[in-house]
Amino acid sequence: DQQVKQNSPSLSVQEGRISILNCDYTNSMFDYFLWYKKYPAEGPTFLISISSIKDKNEDGRFTVFLNKSAKHLSLHIVPSQPGDSAVYFCAASALGGTSYGKLTFGQGTILTVHP
Amino acid sequence: DSGVTQTPKHLITATGQRVTLRCSPRSGDLSVYWYQQSLDQGLQFLIQYYNGEERAKGNILERFSAQQFPDLHSELNLSSLELGDSALYFCASSPEDSAYGYTFGSGTRLTVV
Repeated sequence: DQQVKQNSPSLSVQEGRISILNCDYTNSMFDYFLWYKKYPAEGPTFLISISSIKDKNEDGRFTVFLNKSAKHLSLHIVPSQPGDSAVYFCAASALGGTSYGKLTFGQGTILTVHP
Repeated sequence: DSGVTQTPKHLITATGQRVTLRCSPRSGDLSVYWYQQSLDQGLQFLIQYYNGEERAKGNILERFSAQQFPDLHSELNLSSLELGDSALYFCASSPEDSAYGYTFGSGTRLTVV
């Protein structure tokens, strides 16, 4: 049962353009969402998060949007840079649940930014 | 350097064998989490320890076990290894039992031959 889904295995964009990565979830208990970036041979690195009480959170070039009614979130990267090329994972947590620290991950999206 | 140390980085072993993966959390973090990433898959939660006690269990096989020691480092023991256990095993730590402040180590790549 895939509770967090990233339906696009890969995304290719030109440098300077916008990258939009999407994530859907099914568990309505999820109330905290995170995006991680992963380079080969490294562990995931935290990028940005959003609580379910918000619908948008911004940090520099990165913005995460949350649509609770659609159970959908997206990560926007503007402008995209070649160094952004990596695997991006969406993750969710049920802070109000019995295991606040457990993260449920999507399968990841490989982002390639071309110069 | 994330502050979370995992050893060894690579491990090659034969089917039926037993291995131990080690994780030292970031200084001050009380929670340790173990995740498995198989080929082309997302990270799957295995188990969490908080201040020495098991806090949550995910899809962890009975052949796998873990513990957290008084100095807060953790070990993941994998026994009777099968080819399908080949994967990346990540450890993460956080200050409390919470998704806030999560930090991952660089992982241990286990290859079972």
